[in-house]
Amino acid sequence: DADVTQTPRNRITKTGKRIMLECSQTKGHDRMYWYRQDPGLGLRLIYYSFDVKDINKGEISDGYSVSRQAQAKFSLSLESAIPNQTALYFCATSDFRDRDDNEQFFGPGTRLTVL
Amino acid sequence: GDSVTQMEGPVTLSEEAFLTINCTYTATGYPSLFWYVQYPGEGLQLLLKATKADDKGSNKGFEATYRKETTSFHLEKGSVQVSDSAVYFCALTPTGGGNKLTFGTGTQLKVEL
Repeated sequence: DADVTQTPRNRITKTGKRIMLECSQTKGHDRMYWYRQDPGLGLRLIYYSFDVKDINKGEISDGYSVSRQAQAKFSLSLESAIPNQTALYFCATSDFRDRDDNEQFFGPGTRLTVL
Repeated sequence: GDSVTQMEGPVTLSEEAFLTINCTYTATGYPSLFWYVQYPGEGLQLLLKATKADDKGSNKGFEATYRKETTSFHLEKGSVQVSDSAVYFCALTPTGGGNKLTFGTGTQLKVEL
């Protein structure tokens, strides 16, 4: 079984709809991240969480919200989806060891299309 | 702010050719540097890393050396294989940055027989 899973893997929705993307991990890591990937732009950080009670905005948080339901679960919501939120979304986790070189482990991604 | 600049792709090589993917960065202090690889249809996975100047990261025949004087972390492999076809991302975590990654735009590599 994969260590970091994302659901759904693909989603097509319409402008104005509320969408939730879910991420679960079995690695026991404290830190979780949400990124979006756009062609030519690489990956950009949306939100990150260092533990259940610590949630922080990333580079591009406008239009998104998150919920850390448990150590193992971190959900990303689009309150009112718009077409320029069409992208590939990745969840990632890392261990807390008070270091800056910890490896991040990525899920397989969710491809979201907003019509 | 911090940033990472990678050479644009796609890069197309024949099998057994030498590979270089350039990466330069802008950051204060001494960031940690990474190369991540994304195979088709998959998430990213760590390829190699270096945490201080002159460190060399290596894995699966790939190497990159942390050059503080040129703020670079170029990825090299002496002989690529078709199975190396993927997108390669250079990334950094700033000193005290809490392990938050800043990525380059990615370079697509295609290796042909």
